[in-house]
Amino acid sequence: AQSVAQPEDQVNVAEGNPLTVKCTYSVSGNPYLFWYVQYPNRGLQFLLKYITGDNLVKGSYGFEAEFNKSQTSFHLKKPSALVSDSALYFCAVRRGLGGFKTIFGAGTRLFVKA
Amino acid sequence: EAGVAQSPRYKIIEKRQSVAFWCNPISGHATLYWYQQILGQGPKLLIQFQNNGVVDDSQLPKDRFSAERLKGVDSTLKIQPAKLEDSAVYLCASSLVVGEPDTQYFGPGTRLTVL
Repeated sequence: AQSVAQPEDQVNVAEGNPLTVKCTYSVSGNPYLFWYVQYPNRGLQFLLKYITGDNLVKGSYGFEAEFNKSQTSFHLKKPSALVSDSALYFCAVRRGLGGFKTIFGAGTRLFVKA
Repeated sequence: EAGVAQSPRYKIIEKRQSVAFWCNPISGHATLYWYQQILGQGPKLLIQFQNNGVVDDSQLPKDRFSAERLKGVDSTLKIQPAKLEDSAVYLCASSLVVGEPDTQYFGPGTRLTVL
């Protein structure tokens, strides 16, 4: 069975500092991994995805994520946080090669302080 | 390019009443998803269509929830009768192709409150 864990309910970071939002997953076979962001009163927006290849994936708004197969992790990172990055972030996993269902984590609220 | 449209944006009903939500996906997108997002949780897939066929509805409470995708385009999700625990945001999403690791594009959601 697939599962996703986001161990932190909230991450607080000062503007200009690097940020990391953690995600670990469990899936049989090779995973497809995604990050989505949700702003208040808006639907989820796609940030980036890992399918295969380079373990470091770059996405929208300066975000990147690193796939680590041995640690089954896919942490979201940004070198310098902005106040406008404050939002709810969701990690999601889908089983590759024939998998259809995407499983979302519970979400991590990022708060960037000016 | 127009995004995924959903209506209504908000709905308040009493328990045991019926409610319906509508979704219009991005033009040309073959796959349509309905998710339930309860406050403090991540989205949970209720049903997934490819064109007008169901790919997965394993988590759809079929005794009260139903969904259809008309002519492989618009979709309607219905709850009848509603329970208090159905209070949530219902998200519709679409993607171009199923079977590929495709990006899902989400609508703004419908916030349902059951009193």
